Amino acid sequence: GAGVSQSPRYKVAKRGQDVALRCDPISGHVSLFWYQQALGQGPEFLTYFQNEAQLDKSGLPSDRFFAERPEGSVSTLKIQRTQQEDSAVYLCASSGAGGNTGELFFGEGSRLTVL
Amino acid sequence: AQSVAQPEDQVNVAEGNPLTVKCTYSVSGNPYLFWYVQYPNRGLQFLLKYITGDNLVKGSYGFEAEFNKSQTSFHLKKPSALVSDSALYFCAVRDGGSGTYKYIFGTGTRLKVLA
Repeated sequence: GAGVSQSPRYKVAKRGQDVALRCDPISGHVSLFWYQQALGQGPEFLTYFQNEAQLDKSGLPSDRFFAERPEGSVSTLKIQRTQQEDSAVYLCASSGAGGNTGELFFGEGSRLTVL
Repeated sequence: AQSVAQPEDQVNVAEGNPLTVKCTYSVSGNPYLFWYVQYPNRGLQFLLKYITGDNLVKGSYGFEAEFNKSQTSFHLKKPSALVSDSALYFCAVRDGGSGTYKYIFGTGTRLKVLA
C-alpha cells in the first residue's frame, strides 16, 4: 500500500475487555515495530518483528499484551483484560531492509481509551 | 542502554527567524540519529537522519541537523521558520553497534512559530 495503515483509528473499551489493533505495513517492508504513545509523551517501544519473527518484545508492559505477525505482513497487537493505564495511542511503524539504518514509516495510530 | 533527551518542552520563534530544537543522546556504540515531526492526530513523519559521514545533514522542508560527537548532540535547525513548521518534534536514537533494533524516542518538543 501507499503507507502504513492502522485500524481502528479509535477504540473505546470497558475495563476488562480484550482489544485487537491491526497494522498493515508498507508492502515489502521487512521490519515492523509497535510503539505506545501516552498523552504528552514520546513513543515508547513495545515490540519488533523481522518478517514473521518477533525478535524483541522487551517493551511489552505485561503478559496482557501480545503481538503477532504470522505471515510476515499484517500485524495484530492484542491487549487482554484492558486497564485504564492502557489508554494511549498505539503506533505501528515499518521499515525496509531489516530496519537497520533506515527511517521508520509510521501509521496514524490507534487511539485506545479504556473506561 | 541508549537514551535521548529533549530538554525543552516548547520552543517559540517568530516567523522568518532561525530555529533550533535541541537533542542530546547516550549510546554505548555508534549512534544512528533521527528527527521526526508529528502534526495533530497524525503519525510521525521522518525529517532526516545521521548514520555516518558529514556531520551536517539536510532533510525535508528545509530542516537540517548537526551531529556533534563530543557534545553527544543532534540539534535540529532551520534558517527561516514558517508558521506551518508549528508541530511536535521528536528526536530518536538507535545504537548501531549493539545489535538492538530499538529506536528510542525523546519526549518531544513543541515548536510554535508565531506570525
